[in-house]
Amino acid sequence: NAGVTQTPKFRILKIGQSMTLQCTQDMNHNYMYWYRQDPGMGLKLIYYSVGAGITDKGEVPNGYNVSRSTTEDFPLRLELAAPSQTSVYFCASSSSTSGRYNEQFFGPGTRLTVL
Amino acid sequence: AQSVTQPDIHITVSEGASLELRCNYSYGATPYLFWYVQSPGQGLQLLLKYFSGDTLVQGIKGFEAEFKRSQSSFNLRKPSVHWSDAAEYFCAVGEGFNKFYFGSGTKLNVKP
Repeated sequence: NAGVTQTPKFRILKIGQSMTLQCTQDMNHNYMYWYRQDPGMGLKLIYYSVGAGITDKGEVPNGYNVSRSTTEDFPLRLELAAPSQTSVYFCASSSSTSGRYNEQFFGPGTRLTVL
Repeated sequence: AQSVTQPDIHITVSEGASLELRCNYSYGATPYLFWYVQSPGQGLQLLLKYFSGDTLVQGIKGFEAEFKRSQSSFNLRKPSVHWSDAAEYFCAVGEGFNKFYFGSGTKLNVKP
């Protein structure tokens, strides 16, 4: 099992550009999440998904979009990049089959800089 | 709204010394609490979790945490720190079915 994989690892964007952060998990987890981590801060939830075709907003969704067409993939889209979106982005997944609160497995992160 | 406070931004301990990292939460119902560790350049790894029952929970790598409802705290402890424990530690509270709220983290430095 590769677990949760994210691409790219690093990216520099210019203001106004768009990009998609990829996230894939091979654990057949139904729940997936996107977080951002700003320096000196904890993780903030951007969007989450409880299964293919179902997504919902987290704490800080503005400026982002997601889709979940398959169980494995949960891409995060930035349409008009802004300096405020400079951050480290983490994707995570968890399963709801064995209990109410389950461990979230995290990917290694994508470090994004918007200049 | 739920919130998690980790009052110590940085902590330095000597190798072999004991460690306690503080975590306070604000949550209206019975909390579901977690500690995660993040090594440099890595994602987060679960150390331990508390759902109910015994208020002292054991985790991986020799860590434990104690839930104290009266103090709204869930402090992480380790009796003897190893150099490999140097990392950033995050406390989190779970809401609903799978939404987590994270504290701002505590960076642990271990002196040889």
